[in-house]
This record gives sequence, C-alpha cells and structure tokens, in this order.
Amino acid sequence: NAGVTQTPKFQVLKTGQSMTLQCAQDMNHNSMYWYRQDPGMGLRLIYYSASEGTTDKGEVPNGYNVSRLNKREFSLRLESAAPSQTSVYFCASSVWTANTGELFFGEGSRLTVL
Amino acid sequence: QQQVKQSPQSLIVQKGGISIINCAYENTAFDYFPWYQQFPGKGPALLIAIRPDVSEKKEGRFTISFNKSAKQFSLHIMDSQPGDSATYFCAASKTGANNLFFGTGTRLTVIP
Repeated sequence: NAGVTQTPKFQVLKTGQSMTLQCAQDMNHNSMYWYRQDPGMGLRLIYYSASEGTTDKGEVPNGYNVSRLNKREFSLRLESAAPSQTSVYFCASSVWTANTGELFFGEGSRLTVL
Repeated sequence: QQQVKQSPQSLIVQKGGISIINCAYENTAFDYFPWYQQFPGKGPALLIAIRPDVSEKKEGRFTISFNKSAKQFSLHIMDSQPGDSATYFCAASKTGANNLFFGTGTRLTVIP
C-alpha cells in the first residue's frame, strides 16, 4: 500500500534552473495538495486541486505552477528556481466527509537551490 | 498572515510528564481542528481531531481541549514517552473548504 509517492526525494538546483516534482496517490482521493515546510513557518499551502481538472492557489503560489494530470497525479513545477525556494516539499491527498477530513502526506522532497 | 498561531516552538519534557501545546485562531468560520504528528524524515500524519460542538476529545494519552469563546485549542499528551518525540502541528479548516491551515509546529523532545 504505497499511499502518496513523491519523486525525487532530494534535488539540488542552481538558481534559474527548472524542475518538476512528481506526486502520485493510489487511494482514489479527489483532492491533492502541495505544501512547503520551512523552519519556524510550519506547513504552507502552495496549490491544491479539489478535483481532477481544477487547481487553486494557496498561501504561497508565487514562483510555482501545478498540473493535475489525472486523478492520481499532481505535479509541481519551478520554472526558474530561486534560493528562497529551498525547502522541503510535501504532496498530500485527502478524503473529506461532512464532519471530518484527513490529509495523507508523502515523505517529502528536499530541494536546495544554490 | 498566519491563520493559526501555535506555541511553544519547542518543548522539552521528562518521561512521564505532561506535554501541552497551544493554538489560537481568528476565523470563526473554522469548524474542524485536527492535530498532526510528524517524525523526522516523514510526512505529517493525523493524530486526533475535534469539532467545536465538544470541549474535549480524548484518544489514549492524547487529549484535545477546545475553548470556543477564546478561540483556542490545545493538545495534552499525558505520561509522555520518548517515542512521542516529534513535531506536532495544529490545523484548522471550515466545512467544504477542502484544505487545512497549519500552525507553525512544536518540536517536542521527551527525555528518558
């Protein structure tokens, strides 16, 4: 039972380079998310996709683009990486009911921009 | 602007002691308050959650206390164990929003 799988786990980029973080979930969830985690800042939402075919900006979308390729996959792209984008990135998917909700996270992708 | 404020940033507790982490929010539309636990190198995982129709929820050694009038909620870990050493995040959401706003996290260390 894989859950949420992110690739790559580690990446080092130079300023101005581009890259795509891949995420896939096998739980048939409608909603998927990208968060970044920085010391003292907690988890901040970059983008989310409530369902296949839709995407919405979160708290910190600048410098990022996303693609909801299908129900399973949600990718995050950095077009021109900056040192401020050095962070640990988490993909998540979720199931929501009328009263509760739970996010299932991947193990993270650690990105360093030099 | 941080939607959910969390304190303390770090906490050291002796084995067997009580760990207390506090959170506060401003948006009165929030009606779902989960706590997530994260071990080093892993993603966060849901620990326990509460809705504002109750003032307390207990699951084993973990208890959420909720004060609707003060717009505050807290996590209590009774009989803290070294295995509880992790980072804890509070969060808040409103029904139908399908996303969560997280606090800044508390790094808990339980000393044997």
